[in-house]
Amino acid sequence: SAVISQKPSRDICQRGTSLTIQCQVDSQVTMMFWYRQQPGQSLTLIATANQGSEATYESGFVIDKFPISRPNLTFSTLTVSNMSPEDSSIYLCSVGYRGLNTEAFFGQGTRLTVV
Amino acid sequence: GNSVTQMEGPVTLSEEAFLTINCTYTATGYPSLFWYVQYPGEGLQLLLKATKADDKGSNKGFEATYRKETTSFHLEKGSVQVSDSAVYFCALSDHGSSNTGKLIFGQGTTLQVKP
Repeated sequence: SAVISQKPSRDICQRGTSLTIQCQVDSQVTMMFWYRQQPGQSLTLIATANQGSEATYESGFVIDKFPISRPNLTFSTLTVSNMSPEDSSIYLCSVGYRGLNTEAFFGQGTRLTVV
Repeated sequence: GNSVTQMEGPVTLSEEAFLTINCTYTATGYPSLFWYVQYPGEGLQLLLKATKADDKGSNKGFEATYRKETTSFHLEKGSVQVSDSAVYFCALSDHGSSNTGKLIFGQGTTLQVKP
């Protein structure tokens, strides 16, 4: 298993500003992902964070809005840029290990409110 | 593409009642199946998993059996407690991603257990 620390745990931000969320894992992991959970909704994958290269984004998400970094095997950041109230969500970092039948492990999430 | 469908909630039960939350999936190949639980204000925790047909995952009194013939993975518990109140997510592994921990989630089912 993995212990995942996300910071901040919550924040209230003004529209038009940006917020960077950090995800730190206690061990080297193969894969890191970022999900969004809008109020009352399920989890939607934003992107896969790739070490040392550009993230792989899912349909509907773009790098300009959600830039992601992953400088090493234990750390990643997600930035929510030029925020609007529609960006109010919980953002979750998830990690996985390449192999057979592996589950994903999740951080506690960052609860973002944009006003 | 792959998808997961859960029964709509909220599900409201009295303590010690029997719980079933239905989950069906559409997938190519042989995905692994998971139930995650999200307690109020927290991130996601893995509740149980099953990696192949006819496997039964179990944890904390919850059970789910991987039924390939009906493409289902229904969650059951014989006697729920107030502390089981949470949101439950059914998920499958996207094996198109080489078993990396990338998951596809159902919409979530809110369970409320009353004393």
